[in-house]
Amino acid sequence: RKEVEQDPGPFNVPEGATVAFNCTYSNSASQSFFWYRQDCRKEPKLLMSVYSSGNEDGRFTAQLNRASQYISLLIRDSKLSDSATYLCVVTSGTGGFKTIFGAGTRLFVKA
Amino acid sequence: GAVVSQHPSRVICKSGTSVKIECRSLDFQATTMFWYRQFPKQSLMLMATSNEGSKATYEQGVEKDKFLINHASLTLSTLTVTSAHPEDSSFYICSATDRGPSGYTFGSGTRLTVV
Repeated sequence: RKEVEQDPGPFNVPEGATVAFNCTYSNSASQSFFWYRQDCRKEPKLLMSVYSSGNEDGRFTAQLNRASQYISLLIRDSKLSDSATYLCVVTSGTGGFKTIFGAGTRLFVKA
Repeated sequence: GAVVSQHPSRVICKSGTSVKIECRSLDFQATTMFWYRQFPKQSLMLMATSNEGSKATYEQGVEKDKFLINHASLTLSTLTVTSAHPEDSSFYICSATDRGPSGYTFGSGTRLTVV
């Protein structure tokens, strides 16, 4: 079993749709969780950190479920510019230095 | 926020030559930097963890003699791909963290093509 698993997609959605991604992790001692966005041939950029209490940033909502060991990302009112690959990132270990990336979920938002 | 500068952004080299990639944290000190490799349509794979003033920690399957990492200062880590081969062609990205809420900041990446 992979340490961090994501559905690779692609998710093809129309503009304005709501789309949700999940990411599961195997290490129950994992400490920090992030969602990154990566555009084609570019470096990943932090989209948002994921907290146990859940957090929201505009159209994006991230949640953490420690009991079931997954994190989720919800995108509301999808825009064309949301088309990208969304990477789930999980860190663990002393100082959080073991960082595992999910393989990413590809999202295509179409007009 | 934290900024990480990486260069070159693109390099083409001949088989058998060596290529050095630099990664700098511009506005923070990074005792630890990370080097990743990403092949087309695949996820980022951690190659090694670069520790300032000490030896890098390599992930399983990564040849330490081929991918030389030097982290001589708190703001600079270098990755040298020695005796490059076409199969080393990939996208190499470094990252660092200021341990703040911004998570890990990535360099812009280096696309290496070995011909």
